[in-house]
Amino acid sequence: DVQMTQSPSSVSASVGDRVTITCRASQGIAGWLAWYQQKPGKAPNLLIYAASSLQSGVPSRFSGSGSGTDFTLTISSLQPEDFATYYCQQANNLPWTFGQGTKVEIK
Amino acid sequence: QLQLQESGPGLVKPSETLSLTCIVTGDSITSGSYYWGWIRQPPGKGLECIGSISYSGSTFYNPSLSSRIIISMDTSKNQFSLTLGSVAAADTAVYYCAKRSSGRWDFDNWGQGTLVTVSS
Repeated sequence: DVQMTQSPSSVSASVGDRVTITCRASQGIAGWLAWYQQKPGKAPNLLIYAASSLQSGVPSRFSGSGSGTDFTLTISSLQPEDFATYYCQQANNLPWTFGQGTKVEIK
Repeated sequence: QLQLQESGPGLVKPSETLSLTCIVTGDSITSGSYYWGWIRQPPGKGLECIGSISYSGSTFYNPSLSSRIIISMDTSKNQFSLTLGSVAAADTAVYYCAKRSSGRWDFDNWGQGTLVTVSS
């Protein structure tokens, strides 16, 4: 299976901060990467697909980049509703696999 | 608006079989536009893809679970199901059903999830 490693595991940030989360694949996955946001007790919500495409209805402060093995999710100006856990997911190889998650906490 | 809703028992005994159903409303599960998946999340842990079924009924199972799982669809009820046999405590998790759209490689619509606990 393709291993997805996210860093950091957690980050403390303030409202208005720029936050960057990275995801590294154990082998090349081209651009087949998605990002999800999950709040406690809720299902994951798709933010970014195909590495850099913004899902409909997702605020433009979220952006994604990368290809091959290294990817990033950036929140340009953190809002109160953005405090959550974020997961990357690769879809280049079956089975699809997720990163371990990055928790964005209030500083 | 397409919606998914999981249903099934919240408690299963070790060695028994876990059966969950995902009821789809708002569109047909046989629409050529969609694929359907199951994902689980143990308490406090990350996400694991269990498997999927296409609009035509073809399936993919995670090799780590393939000997124990069956994913099927009931077109008359517009729902698809997960059966996981010989469960153990490690199968305790929130189980989600989700939708993938044709031409896309992500899950863009999820059910709310259902917690299944394996315990005697």
